[in-house]
Amino acid sequence: NAGVTQTPKFRVLKTGQSMTLLCAQDMNHEYMYWYRQDPGMGLRLIHYSVGEGTTAKGEVPDGYNVSRLKKQNFLLGLESAAPSQTSVYFCASTYQGPIRTGKTGELFFGEGSRLTVL
Amino acid sequence: GQQVMQIPQYQHVQEGEDFTTYCNSSTTLSNIQWYKQRPGGHPVFLIQLVKSGEVKKQKRLTFQFGEAKKNSSLHITATQTTDVGTYFCAGLNSGGSNYKLTFGKGTLLTVNP
Repeated sequence: NAGVTQTPKFRVLKTGQSMTLLCAQDMNHEYMYWYRQDPGMGLRLIHYSVGEGTTAKGEVPDGYNVSRLKKQNFLLGLESAAPSQTSVYFCASTYQGPIRTGKTGELFFGEGSRLTVL
Repeated sequence: GQQVMQIPQYQHVQEGEDFTTYCNSSTTLSNIQWYKQRPGGHPVFLIQLVKSGEVKKQKRLTFQFGEAKKNSSLHITATQTTDVGTYFCAGLNSGGSNYKLTFGKGTLLTVNP
């Protein structure tokens, strides 16, 4: 199993350009997440999905869109990139209802995508 | 909204010294998880605590969950250079309906050999 795979791993954009980050997981997880990580800010949730065809906003959703057309894939889009979106982006996935099912509910993270917007 | 505060932000120790990072939530948590991120890497799950007052050990690491389920700590005994990295706590709000963890800002541990 590959776990959680993110593509691309690195990207440089100019202000105003658009791009899509792809996250793929092969663990049949229901829940998927997109976080951004900036120095001193920890991990901040952008958007998340609790199942195929569903998406929801996290803490910092502005400037981003997401889609979950297939259970194994979660796409993060930047329609018009801004320098403030320079960051490392992490995708993560987990089981559904960890407390009630007794499963651990740990997040499995991808290796990250480093995005620079000039 | 829920806030999870983590201190200290940075900690530098000599190899062999102990290390502790603390996590405090503004609300009662259902559970708390701890992750480790090596420099240049991605967060990796360490452990989950669910019960009030729970204490779990993993070799030199000791994790505690407070009686009120609003705070937690990670203690490393006799640090080694392999312990270097950022340690994050992440809490699940007990009043939440979806599985959405709130992460602390992390504690960066550096170890001088």
